[in-house]
Amino acid sequence: EAQVTQNPRYLITVTGKKLTVTCSQNMNHEYMSWYRQDPGLGLRQIYYSMNVEVTDKGDVPEGYKVSRKEKRNFPLILESPSPNQTSLYFCASSFRGDRYPLNTEAFFGQGTRLTVV
Amino acid sequence: AQSVAQPEDQVNVAEGNPLTVKCTYSVSGNPYLFWYVQYPNRGLQFLLKYITGDNLVKGSYGFEAEFNKSQTSFHLKKPSALVSDSALYFCAVRPWGGSQGNLIFGKGTKLSVKP
Repeated sequence: EAQVTQNPRYLITVTGKKLTVTCSQNMNHEYMSWYRQDPGLGLRQIYYSMNVEVTDKGDVPEGYKVSRKEKRNFPLILESPSPNQTSLYFCASSFRGDRYPLNTEAFFGQGTRLTVV
Repeated sequence: AQSVAQPEDQVNVAEGNPLTVKCTYSVSGNPYLFWYVQYPNRGLQFLLKYITGDNLVKGSYGFEAEFNKSQTSFHLKKPSALVSDSALYFCAVRPWGGSQGNLIFGKGTKLSVKP
């Protein structure tokens, strides 16, 4: 089954304790990205990756890091989490195709609800 | 600035009645437009997209959307609502420039279908 898998689904942590949210897709998609969803704000892009070893900042990158060492995996790293990073996080992947901008739909993971206390 | 607006936070519809969830956009260049649905405790699921061609786009679960370039709108519609359609709906656009894969989302519209 084609899917994007995120882990963990729920996480409560303390301020300053480094954490990683994993994301894996089995569709051989080139493009992967992370979004955060906050009430009244919709979804906002944190980081994205066009392919292996190619990553760049989205709209709200502060406080986050990512890496893309393999095509299928795109982990989100919070080096020193703070309470304002409490949110619902989604990983998404898309087939890149040959159009600019991408005209392909994104597949989303189930989400990770993070609480930083 | 490129943006998507969903003017209604919530839409209430009786089962069997037609439904419309509104979306307007502001982007440069020709837009690629998408609708996604989010059920409680689930990720976003793709419903339909407009890339080019026919202004009326048909998608999953009986939904359709009409692209109107002059009004810069992409409203989601369904002829007969089901209780199971109750969910959070997001309109999104892929803008030109910047992160080519970035989806700019509206704030979402909660659809409530009553029996």
